[in-house]
Amino acid sequence: NAGVTQTPKFRILKIGQSMTLQCTQDMNHNYMYWYRQDPGMGLKLIYYSVGAGITDKGEVPNGYNVSRSTTEDFPLRLELAAPSQTSVYFCASSSRTDTQPQHFGDGTRLSIL
Amino acid sequence: SQKIEQNSEALNIQEGKTATLTCNYTNYSPAYLQWYRQDPGRGPVFLLLIRENEKEKRKERLKVTFDTTLKQSLFHITASQPADSATYLCALPNQGGKLIFGQGTELSVKP
Repeated sequence: NAGVTQTPKFRILKIGQSMTLQCTQDMNHNYMYWYRQDPGMGLKLIYYSVGAGITDKGEVPNGYNVSRSTTEDFPLRLELAAPSQTSVYFCASSSRTDTQPQHFGDGTRLSIL
Repeated sequence: SQKIEQNSEALNIQEGKTATLTCNYTNYSPAYLQWYRQDPGRGPVFLLLIRENEKEKRKERLKVTFDTTLKQSLFHITASQPADSATYLCALPNQGGKLIFGQGTELSVKP
């Protein structure tokens, strides 16, 4: 069982470039999340989705966009990359949004130079 | 808004001892609290959930307590092993129901 798979694992972007971080899960979870993790900081919620076609902003959504066309996939789009977006990005999924644990991918390490 | 505080300093202990990690929160008391383990270069992995009406929860060598009066959760690893070395995150729901995470405490268990 693959769980949550994120690609790519590493990426270097130039300022102003765009890219899409891919996330797919095979657990048939309705809820999916994107977080960023900066050194010494907790995970910050960027966007989340409660099901296909439904997305909403988290704590730090500026500079990002998401879409959810299927239950399995939840890509995160960076438009006009900025150095402040250098971070490790984690995708997670859960069967419910309350007491159920979140299952995380292994992250995408993104550097904007 | 809700805030979580975990010890930012790394915890270094000797193998076989009990490790105790602290998670403090401000403002309202959540209905539950979760603990995750994160290894370098990996995503967090869920360990335990404790509800507000549970004082204590155990799973093998792990024990979590939840004191809503002190607004604190303690995470204990008994008979610690070098393989327990990792960063441990606590997480709890904000008023909107979304999980917020502490910055984590790094545990290092020396042989």
